[in-house]
Amino acid sequence: EAQVTQNPRYLITVTGKKLTVTCSQNMNHEYMSWYRQDPGLGLRQIYYSMNVEVTDKGDVPEGYKVSRKEKRNFPLILESPSPNQTSLYFCASSPWTGSYGYTFGSGTRLTVV
Amino acid sequence: EDKVVQSPLSLVVHEGDTVTLNCSYEVTNFRSLLWYKQEKKAPTFLFMLTSSGIEKKSGRLSSILDKKELFSILNITATQTGDSAIYLCAVEGYGGSQGNLIFGKGTKLSVKP
Repeated sequence: EAQVTQNPRYLITVTGKKLTVTCSQNMNHEYMSWYRQDPGLGLRQIYYSMNVEVTDKGDVPEGYKVSRKEKRNFPLILESPSPNQTSLYFCASSPWTGSYGYTFGSGTRLTVV
Repeated sequence: EDKVVQSPLSLVVHEGDTVTLNCSYEVTNFRSLLWYKQEKKAPTFLFMLTSSGIEKKSGRLSSILDKKELFSILNITATQTGDSAIYLCAVEGYGGSQGNLIFGKGTKLSVKP
């Protein structure tokens, strides 16, 4: 089944403890992206990647890192999480930009205490 | 600054009603506008629009884009309770903003029996 898989689905962590949220797609998509969704603010793009080893900042990249060492994986790294990074995170992928709708993962609910 | 504004932010209707959701945008070098439906978790793709005046249709849902006036509408006819969701509009540009998807805050639609 074609899908975007995120892990974990839920995570509670403490301030400052490094964490990684994984994202994997099995559709050979070139484009992948991370978003966070907050009440009243909607979906905001954190980082995106047009291809392997190519990443760009979205609208809210501060406090996050990403890497794209292989096409199928696009992990989101929080080196030192803070409570303002408590949010619902989505990974998405697409064959390439502007041609098809993006497929979203099921989301990761992150709470930083 | 690129932005997407959706209206109304929330809407309550009864089954059988027809609704129109609005999305206006400002984006550098417009490439495409996308509509998504978000129920419990991940947004699911509805339409992608790139050309003015060409209606996209899927069942009771349809959408059209006006690139001169910089807006799009999503129509839902004969609404059902299963249409209750948040409807998201997003735009993408070419060039430097290619891959940078900007979302509106969404319209929360509630359809009552």
